[in-house]
Amino acid sequence: KNQVEQSPQSLIILEGKNCTLQCNYTVSPFSNLRWYKQDTGRGPVSLTIMTFSENTKSNGRYTATLDADTKQSSLHITASQLSDSASYICVVSAQAGGTSYGKLTFGQGTILTVHP
Amino acid sequence: KAGVTQTPRYLIKTRGQQVTLSCSPISGHRSVSWYQQTPGQGLQFLFEYFSETQRNKGNFPGRFSGRQFSNSRSEMNVSTLELGDSALYLCASSLWASGQETQYFGPGTRLLVL
Repeated sequence: KNQVEQSPQSLIILEGKNCTLQCNYTVSPFSNLRWYKQDTGRGPVSLTIMTFSENTKSNGRYTATLDADTKQSSLHITASQLSDSASYICVVSAQAGGTSYGKLTFGQGTILTVHP
Repeated sequence: KAGVTQTPRYLIKTRGQQVTLSCSPISGHRSVSWYQQTPGQGLQFLFEYFSETQRNKGNFPGRFSGRQFSNSRSEMNVSTLELGDSALYLCASSLWASGQETQYFGPGTRLLVL
């Protein structure tokens, strides 16, 4: 069964600190992995999309890594800001007919709270 | 450029009724996908449309259906509503360029089934 597990479930950090969120998956055959940020009451915003051949991808202060061998991904946030407080969702896509979506499996998300 | 718009933003229905939600993608985006988000199940993929054709479908019952029009606007229909259908329904439009995909979500339609 395809599964995506995220840890921790929630995290509280102080403004300016770094943090790392984890995502482990058992989706097969793997197509791509996405990280989304979702603010309360708003739709998700795509942070990164990584395919099998990509190990690292950055988007400003967000850096995602992917280890396709161990089926693990991490999202590292540098110099956190109050606006980083949100839910971070890991989504893994299984291959299906050459499209980008295939079968999507979502993690439950990590709720990050940044305190001043 | 306008973002993804969804209408209505809020909706209250009763069990057994049916509902139609609308999504207008960003101009030039031909792919539209739909998601259901609930506190218990999190985000779940419903289906994706590209050029008026359903390309992918999640694991939802046949009561959930959709379509896409020639202008890429999409509608999602849920028939015989159940209490468990209460959720935030999100629509996203995507554009592929230079081998990279860019995806944008709309604000969602919050559906409450009584």
